Amino acid sequence: NAGVTQTPKFQVLKTGQSMTLQCAQDMNHEYMSWYRQDPGMGLRLIHYSVGAGITDQGEVPNGYNVSRSTTEDFPLRLLSAAPSQTSVYFCASSPAGAVTNYGYTFGSGTRLTVV
Amino acid sequence: QQPVQSPQAVILREGEDAVINCSSSKALYSVHWYRQKHGEAPVFLMILLKGGEQKGHDKISASFNEKKQQSSLYLTASQLSYSGTYFCGTEVNTDKLIFGTGTRLQVFP
Repeated sequence: NAGVTQTPKFQVLKTGQSMTLQCAQDMNHEYMSWYRQDPGMGLRLIHYSVGAGITDQGEVPNGYNVSRSTTEDFPLRLLSAAPSQTSVYFCASSPAGAVTNYGYTFGSGTRLTVV
Repeated sequence: QQPVQSPQAVILREGEDAVINCSSSKALYSVHWYRQKHGEAPVFLMILLKGGEQKGHDKISASFNEKKQQSSLYLTASQLSYSGTYFCGTEVNTDKLIFGTGTRLQVFP
């Protein structure tokens, strides 16, 4: 049972490039979300999904796109990378949303540097 | 909307106790607590739902006062393994879990 798998673990991009961060879970969780973590800022919610075909914006959605075509996968796309998007990105999943008795399972993270 | 955690940092000797507070300006449906060690992913500790309940496992427990929109995490008889950054996550609107900026806890022998 792999849990939540994020790829790649590290990535360096040039300003203006686009890329997709991958997130996959094998626990049949309905709820998935993306956070970014910057020093002193904690974890900030980018986008989330309550099930296949349903996505919504979090606190800091600008510059990012998501889609959820299957229960297992929730990729995060950076449209045109900017240095301000340098961060550690975490994907998380849960059997249901936040107002339940279930905690979130986090992936190991992707460390992204935009130069 | 981001919950406020206090203190920002705590330094303890093994065996000492600590309290980490989390407060929100909005009504809360639930409060989550996570611990993150350096270079690792956050790990779920516990969740508290509306009702003012208190939960705990081992020597870590938490309370939730929904009227005051506050939660507190209690670490008793701290161990070296408790070191890390603790985050509270609050849910004020369906399915959006918003995290605080974290409290760094260091436990020394």
